[in-house]
Amino acid sequence: NAGVTQTPKFQVLKTGQSMTLQCAQDMNHEYMSWYRQDPGMGLRLIHYSVGAGITDQGEVPNGYNVSRSTTEDFPLRLLSAAPSQTSVYFCAVRGGVTDTQYFGPGTRLTVL
Amino acid sequence: AQSVTQLGSHVSVSEGALVLLRCNYSSSVPPYLFWYVQYPNQGLQLLLKYTSAATLVKGINGFEAEFKKSETSFHLTKPSAHMSDAAEYFCAVSKSGGSNYKLTFGKGTLLTVNP
Repeated sequence: NAGVTQTPKFQVLKTGQSMTLQCAQDMNHEYMSWYRQDPGMGLRLIHYSVGAGITDQGEVPNGYNVSRSTTEDFPLRLLSAAPSQTSVYFCAVRGGVTDTQYFGPGTRLTVL
Repeated sequence: AQSVTQLGSHVSVSEGALVLLRCNYSSSVPPYLFWYVQYPNQGLQLLLKYTSAATLVKGINGFEAEFKKSETSFHLTKPSAHMSDAAEYFCAVSKSGGSNYKLTFGKGTLLTVNP
């Protein structure tokens, strides 16, 4: 998990509230992505970015928004939180000579 | 399209016994294959990966996996389980050719190690 930080670690929201999950990297890699992890579902790709100014949708993008203004940061926005978005969210950074994806420590989100 | 099936959501072994976690994949192009481990309340850590070089891949903590194209499998093994191996293990697939932007994960296998 070296070089990938996520904040906050825990968050509780009420239905309809908005918030931004932060992801930052100091590895200077181009590709970043967001996954959500739900029990018995594995990890599912929400959005990804292949570089500053370029984003695209993954498998489960509805209800989430992203932007990539810098190489270092890739925030994930929930515009109007719903209980179905209760999950653990992981940011990942791909790069290096082995093209490995490195995961952050995660953000545990509960929507009441 | 790519998909991963992990056979067995929960595997229980005794300390010192063989660990075998099964993964079958489906991919329309030659795949890259990965095994990740997740310890409780932590992120995912890469155990090993197959990227079309040697079919037998050795990873960290004594784990290894063999890519079998004819069986579309990438099973994870360890000869002797330790208590510290207790964790959830995820198999994942991506496209080969340097474009592994999207990882498709299996649903995970929880490994329990009994003393």
